[in-house]
Amino acid sequence: QQQVKQSPQSLIVQKGGISIINCAYENTAFDYFPWYQQFPGKGPALLIAIRPDVSEKKEGRFTISFNKSAKQFSLHIMDSQPGDSATYFCAARRGNKLTFGTGTQLKVEL
Amino acid sequence: NAGVMQNPRHLVRRRGQEARLRCSPMKGHSHVYWYRQLPEEGLKFMVYLQKENIIDESGMPKERFSAEFPKEGPSILRIQQVVRGDSAAYFCASSPSAGHEQYFGPGTRLTVT
Repeated sequence: QQQVKQSPQSLIVQKGGISIINCAYENTAFDYFPWYQQFPGKGPALLIAIRPDVSEKKEGRFTISFNKSAKQFSLHIMDSQPGDSATYFCAARRGNKLTFGTGTQLKVEL
Repeated sequence: NAGVMQNPRHLVRRRGQEARLRCSPMKGHSHVYWYRQLPEEGLKFMVYLQKENIIDESGMPKERFSAEFPKEGPSILRIQQVVRGDSAAYFCASSPSAGHEQYFGPGTRLTVT
């Protein structure tokens, strides 16, 4: 059973554009929602995270929007750059266990 | 301040052999987590350990897999009698306490031939 659904699977964005990745969860016991960025051959690196009592969090070019009633959250990357090309994973935490989405491969073209 | 260290980075084993994956957490971190990533998939939780204790092993396969985090030394994920389906990237993460951010290592890529 996939508890965190992520879309799209892949995304191509022009440099300077906005990248949007969406996730939906089922378990209302999740209490923390991080996003990770992973480059080929590397481990996931924490990008930004949000708690369910907040509807939006912004850090630089990265914004998380959170809709608790819909059980959905999304990552927005403003002014996307070629260096942002990577795989992005949403996750949800319950206790000490992270449940990951299936990932989105982002490619930012010049 | 060194991050989470994992070794080896790449490991090739023939079917039936044993694989031992090691993880040294960040300095000051006493909580370790193991995750497995199959090709084209997200990471799947396997086990959560504190020093000398297994706290949650709900994601561990029932057979052939075991994990430990001794008082001294790295955490070890051990896979006995490996099969081709065990081929994956295995990531270790650590945190200073329960409920804190988890920081991931670079992973060990296991290939079973």
